[in-house]
Amino acid sequence: AQSVTQLDSQVPVFEEAPVELRCNYSSSVSVYLFWYVQYPNQGLQLLLKYLSGSTLVESINGFEAEFNKSQTSFHLRKPSVHISDTAEYFCAVIRRKAAGNKLTFGGGTRVLVKP
Amino acid sequence: KAGVTQTPRYLIKTRGQQVTLSCSPISGHRSVSWYQQTPGQGLQFLFEYFSETQRNKGNFPGRFSGRQFSNSRSEMNVSTLELGDSALYLCASTEQGTEAFFGQGTRLTVV
Repeated sequence: AQSVTQLDSQVPVFEEAPVELRCNYSSSVSVYLFWYVQYPNQGLQLLLKYLSGSTLVESINGFEAEFNKSQTSFHLRKPSVHISDTAEYFCAVIRRKAAGNKLTFGGGTRVLVKP
Repeated sequence: KAGVTQTPRYLIKTRGQQVTLSCSPISGHRSVSWYQQTPGQGLQFLFEYFSETQRNKGNFPGRFSGRQFSNSRSEMNVSTLELGDSALYLCASTEQGTEAFFGQGTRLTVV
C-alpha cells in the first residue's frame, strides 16, 4: 500500500514571497507522483506530474517540484506567489504499471496568500 | 473536448434516503473513478470502473455502489444515507496511463 504525508496543513505567505509545500510518500513499489490544486467549490486540477526522466518538473504557471527518490519526497515550490494561488494543494501517488487508476492523496495543504 | 461532467452539483437529502450521482467522463476515456472528500478524512478512493467492470474498490461499506454504462458514463449510489456521508464526491476519468481529470464534484448534504 502507499501513503502520502503533507507536512503542513496550512501555509500563510505574503504575495510575491516564495513558498514550499512538502510532500513525502511511502511505497514498497515504484510510483508516479502528482500535485493537484483545488480552488474553492471546485474539483481538482492537475498542476504537474512526475512519471520518469528529469527529476525536476515544472508547470506553466511557475510551480516546480523535485522528485527525490532517496528521501521519498516530491516538494512543490514557487519562487513568487500571487493572490490567485490561494487554494488547497494535494500531493498524490499511483503505483506504476498498476491495473487501474487508484490515486492515494495526502491530506492537503491550504495556501493563503496575503497582500 | 468537453471536460468531466458531474450532476447534480448540489444535493440535500434526509437520513435514510438513497441518492444517485452521475458522471460523464471525457469522450474516449474508459476509466472512471470516484472519490469522497471530507474535512476529516480528506480524499478517499471509493471505486473505479473500466469498460463497465469494477476494477478497483476502496474501503467503504456496501451502501456505496456504482456502475458504468456502455458509453462510459458512470453512476454511484449511496443507500440508507447517514449524516457522515455528507461530502464532496469527485469523479475522475482517465484515458490510458496515469493522468486523471476531475469533475467539479457533487456536494451532498445529509440532514
